[in-house]
Parts: sequence; C-alpha cells; structure tokens
Amino acid sequence: KQEVTQIPAALSVPEGENLVLNCSFTDSAIYNLQWFRQDPGKGLTSLLLIQSSQREQTSGRLNASLDKSSGRSTLYIAASQPGDSATYLCAVISGNKLVFGAGTILRVKS
Amino acid sequence: AAGVIQSPRHLIKEKRETATLKCYPIPRHDTVYWYQQGPGQDPQFLISFYEKMQSDKGSIPDRFSAQQFSDYHSELNMSSLELGDSALYFCASSLAGAKYNSPLHFGNGTRLTVT
Repeated sequence: KQEVTQIPAALSVPEGENLVLNCSFTDSAIYNLQWFRQDPGKGLTSLLLIQSSQREQTSGRLNASLDKSSGRSTLYIAASQPGDSATYLCAVISGNKLVFGAGTILRVKS
Repeated sequence: AAGVIQSPRHLIKEKRETATLKCYPIPRHDTVYWYQQGPGQDPQFLISFYEKMQSDKGSIPDRFSAQQFSDYHSELNMSSLELGDSALYFCASSLAGAKYNSPLHFGNGTRLTVT
C-alpha cells in the first residue's frame, strides 16, 4: 500500500527566505507526482506535475524535484512571500488514483 | 480556461438524510475522481471512473454510490448520512487516466455538513 509522508508538518519563515518542503513515498512504482496548494477551506490548486521519467519541473519561483528510486520529492520555493502561506500537499499517482501526504502548513511572515 | 465544476458549494443535511453531489469535469476529460477531506485531514480517495466505468475504489462506505454519465459528469450519492460524513468533498478530472501523465485538476469542493 502506497504511503506518502511530508516533512515538516508546519513551517514558519520570514518573507524572502528560500525554503524546501519534503515528500517521501514508500512504493517507487508511481506514474507521476503532483504538488498542490490548498488555502484554508478551499480547493486544491495544482502547482507542478513531475512525470516518473523526469527529475524536476519548474514554474516561476517553484521548483520540484523527483528521485523515484529513493522515493523522494522536494518542493523548493524561492524568495517566499506572505501570499505563499497555505498548505502544500504532495500526491503520487499510484494505480489509478492520487495518494496524498498530510501536507505542510506554510506561513510566511511579513 | 474551464475548470472542474462542483455543485452545490455548500450542503447542510440532517442525520439519516440523503445527499447528491455533482461534478462536471473539464471538457474532454474522461476520468473523474472523488475525494473526501475531513477537518485537518488530507484528502482520502473514494472512487474513480474512466469512460463511465468504475476504475478504482478506495475507502468509500457502502452507503455511498457514484456513477459517471454519458456526458462524463459524475454524481456521488450519499445515503443514511452520519455526523462523521461532514467533510469537504472534492471531484477531480483528468484526461485518459492518471497513469498517462495527465495532471488531475480539482474542483473547489462541496462542503457537506451533517447535523
């Protein structure tokens, strides 16, 4: 059974810092990995999708990496802003469904 | 661009009542997924459909059923509602199934409150 773990559970940083969110998964037989952002009580916004054959994807200040063999992914956020405050969820495509981690709650202080 | 549409946005029901949640996928998407997210929890997979056939099943209670229609929209039917069913219910859609490297796009969810 696929299990996804995210570390840290919560993170508070001052504005402008670069930060890294970690995601690990137990079964390396994944099709791809997707990072999402969720604001309180809101829907899930897809940030980046990394296919299983890829090593990383970039979008603006976000960079996600994937090491499938070791079962790890990182989401790097450069020059963090207060508007980045949200919960960040990592999910792997395992079988025909996404399996989510518990998320990292990020707070960027101005 | 068109996104995944879910209705209603909010729903309040009493215990033992029934509820129907609707999901309209992104045009041309043929796969629909349903997730349940309890307060402070990560989304839990309930069920998915590909080309109107059930493709995978997760932790969906027997009191719940779902289907995908010919126009690819999907409905989640929930009967004998319990207090513990109060949650945010998300629908997501993708093209040709998740394993074909198509990202899942989520709707804004339906918040169900059972009193």
